[in-house]
Amino acid sequence: EPEVTQTPSHQVTQMGQEVILRCVPISNHLYFYWYRQILGQKVEFLVSFYNNEISEKSEIFDDQFSVERPDGSNFTLKIRSTKLEDSAMYFCASSTRATGAYEQYFGPGTRLTVT
Amino acid sequence: AQSVTQLGSHVSVSEGALVLLRCNYSSSVPPYLFWYVQYPNQGLQLLLKYTSAATLVKGINGFEAEFKKSETSFHLTKPSAHMSDAAEYFCAVTLNFGNEKLTFGTGTRLTIIP
Repeated sequence: EPEVTQTPSHQVTQMGQEVILRCVPISNHLYFYWYRQILGQKVEFLVSFYNNEISEKSEIFDDQFSVERPDGSNFTLKIRSTKLEDSAMYFCASSTRATGAYEQYFGPGTRLTVT
Repeated sequence: AQSVTQLGSHVSVSEGALVLLRCNYSSSVPPYLFWYVQYPNQGLQLLLKYTSAATLVKGINGFEAEFKKSETSFHLTKPSAHMSDAAEYFCAVTLNFGNEKLTFGTGTRLTIIP
């Protein structure tokens, strides 16, 4: 069964460093998302992406965040200058948005630790 | 704007007992509703979804949920709990047009007592 994959599974970085989190969505999906989950808290929406542009972003997704689909398979989240409060689990998701679908398929997540 | 409220951050049931996890939603338009499960150190797996067809929705692993518009609820149930059901459960809502963003509840941690 097709699945969303994410790399790395765990990333440790120092405050102020740039990180890139990578995702490979399900191959026929057209809509891509990033969510994050700070330890012990709920899953929060960051950004949605369709047709090579951001379709919606949350207040969390400020200028230090960016997303890109550099080729036909990868979808990346870049954090330009990491802060301690960026430590969280980051989930990538994708969906077809075909009629009757709408469910988003989630990857296993990347645990980001900022020290 | 849409939101979900999950009552009970922790629920414990005995193995073989009924599981009931509560979710109430708020939405200005008819919603789509989902239950996801998260096992320790894993991602989110879809259990079931409501997309305005049948109000009683059956999902994987013996779970089901009933959409009740009058109560703005979408509670998750399973007749007989199994040890493998121990996990965190998230209710989520999205609007049924245009806006695919999922808004999650705070989650309910289900513990199964042997």
